[in-house]
Amino acid sequence: DAKTTQPTSMDCAEGRAANLPCNHSTISGNEYVYWYRQIHSQGPQYIIHGLKNNETNEMASLIITEDRKSSTLILPHATLRDTAVYYCIAIFGNEKLTFGTGTRLTIIP
Amino acid sequence: GAGVSQSPRYKVAKRGQDVALRCDPISGHVSLFWYQQALGQGPEFLTYFQNEAQLDKSGLPSDRFFAERPEGSVSTLKIQRTQQEDSAVYLCASSLRGQGNYEQYFGPGTRLTVT
Repeated sequence: DAKTTQPTSMDCAEGRAANLPCNHSTISGNEYVYWYRQIHSQGPQYIIHGLKNNETNEMASLIITEDRKSSTLILPHATLRDTAVYYCIAIFGNEKLTFGTGTRLTIIP
Repeated sequence: GAGVSQSPRYKVAKRGQDVALRCDPISGHVSLFWYQQALGQGPEFLTYFQNEAQLDKSGLPSDRFFAERPEGSVSTLKIQRTQQEDSAVYLCASSLRGQGNYEQYFGPGTRLTVT
């Protein structure tokens, strides 16, 4: 699975959109981009995934660049409950998830 | 419906003791995973089952770690002769198996402290 690179930490004001970047420049054509988050003292939670097209669900939107070398997770109206560590994972075939250290997102009241 | 449950939530063991951690996956989920999460780090893969078959145990750190899922449902992770470096949160996850489906549902974890 391709290595992903994320900023260590980010802050976002409550009510604003949180944009979390992820670099996966070595991603192969069949690898998906998955996003999970982990709120303090809980297990990781699936957010969204995509292959080539942008995706949106009730939690977030995922924007994948045309060359697929990077992506951005967007939380449109961040709340305090969105404070968590966010993990970007590139995966195909091998079912185990490789988490890395993720981005610690803090929502500021 | 019920999510993935793990027990106990917290376990304190003296160095050298054996421990057993239990995972109840979501009913009907074929795949089951164990991960280890050290403080301040992301979860790291330990082992993976498809039904009762252990298909990958490449992440188990030593032969003191053993996992089983005898009936393809509940799984137990056993650690023999615990050491201080085994202190971590142990996470269990389950998933429906399917092409391109890497959505895993995680339990709350068991926090193991070895003293």
